[in-house]
Amino acid sequence: EIVMTQSPATLSVSPGETATLTCRASQTVGSNLAWYQQKPGQAPRLLIYGASTRATDIPARFSGGGSGTEFTLVIDGLQSEDFAVYYCQQYNNWPPLTFGGGTKVEIK
Amino acid sequence: VRLVESGGSVVQPGRSLRLSCAASGFNFRSYPIHWVRQAPGKGLEWLAVMSRDGLNEYYADPVRGRFNISRDNSKNTLYLLMNSLRPEDTAVYYCARDPGITLVRGVMLGLGRLDPWGQGTLVTVSS
Repeated sequence: EIVMTQSPATLSVSPGETATLTCRASQTVGSNLAWYQQKPGQAPRLLIYGASTRATDIPARFSGGGSGTEFTLVIDGLQSEDFAVYYCQQYNNWPPLTFGGGTKVEIK
Repeated sequence: VRLVESGGSVVQPGRSLRLSCAASGFNFRSYPIHWVRQAPGKGLEWLAVMSRDGLNEYYADPVRGRFNISRDNSKNTLYLLMNSLRPEDTAVYYCARDPGITLVRGVMLGLGRLDPWGQGTLVTVSS
């Protein structure tokens, strides 16, 4: 099973600033990496797949990068609606699908 | 595209419960569907997937042998039968569509991406 590790656990950012989230895989997952956003009381929503492709209707301020074992999610110019928990998930070697523990982006 | 889970409730340890996931707005029989859960205050845990034709299913280790995934394509509905429930099964249970098809371990399964998700249904296992 591929273990996904996200850092930091919590990221405090001011509105308008840039947030950089990191996800590491215990073995290579190629580019088969997705990012999800989850707001309190809501279901997760797919943001990024293929490590860098934005899902439908996802704003351009969200960008994903990386390949192999190290990945980043960058949110440029954080808006109020972006404060949430973000999860990475690998789908290179499954089942099982595996998620990282999440990064909470909070208002500084 | 919409997925709506139902069936969550408070149940005693050792009992069984069946969850449903009703799909609408897309051709249900063309997509694999997954179950994922989230314990209170915790992260996401993938549980199971069923192929679009219902012939293949895979489970995560913590639930294999206790949970059973099934689907009725004539009713556009996915199910999760949960047996021998434990307190650690307490969670919000989500179903999620897999947006594509590819060969996985020799079986036509999904791409492994989850989009969209239902709103979830809460299962509480407590005496």
